[in-house]
Amino acid sequence: DGGITQSPKYLFRKEGQNVTLSCEQNLNHDAMYWYRQDPGQGLRLIYYSQIVNDFQKGDIAEGYSVSREKKESFPLTVTSAQKNPTAFYLCASSITGQRQPQHFGDGTRLSIL
Amino acid sequence: SQELEQSPQSLIVQEGKNLTINCTSSKTLYGLYWYKQKYGEGLIFLMMLQKGGEEKSHEKITAKLDEKKQQSSLHITASQPSHAGIYLCGAAYSGAGSYQLTFGKGTKLSVIP
Repeated sequence: DGGITQSPKYLFRKEGQNVTLSCEQNLNHDAMYWYRQDPGQGLRLIYYSQIVNDFQKGDIAEGYSVSREKKESFPLTVTSAQKNPTAFYLCASSITGQRQPQHFGDGTRLSIL
Repeated sequence: SQELEQSPQSLIVQEGKNLTINCTSSKTLYGLYWYKQKYGEGLIFLMMLQKGGEEKSHEKITAKLDEKKQQSSLHITASQPSHAGIYLCGAAYSGAGSYQLTFGKGTKLSVIP
């Protein structure tokens, strides 16, 4: 079955450490996205990519980095510069073209030790 | 202030009752998307509305788009425990970047058997 796979489901980070969240899709979607969700808050866009080897900052990109070397993969690195990284991270993908719905993975919960 | 307001923030209903969730935008909508999320999981796409007056249904869930009010309503008929979860609306705004969605904070629905 086609879908979006995020791993790991739970992740713990020590102070000063970078961590990478994985997102893989087999839906053949060109566009991929990373969101952050905090309790009681809506989703906030971190980065998005419309095509391989290209990506744009979203509303809260500071302290995060991404790469898009393959169509299927869009990993997110939470760097030590991100001072408040504890959150639920969601990856999504969509067909390119305006007003196409985004489809989401099951999320990764990141906590600080 | 929030671009996309959802109301109510939370809702507790008895099984079998009908309910409505609203999503109001402060800007002109280009598209409106409804998602459902269970705690700690990803978002499940329900419906997409693009034109004023458009109405779509999925099982016992109906969504409408009121272009004049820049508002969408999600109506659940004869609620069941399986309807419990967080309902989020996402909006596409023209000129915001074709692929970006702005999300509301969500409405938490509990259904009491």
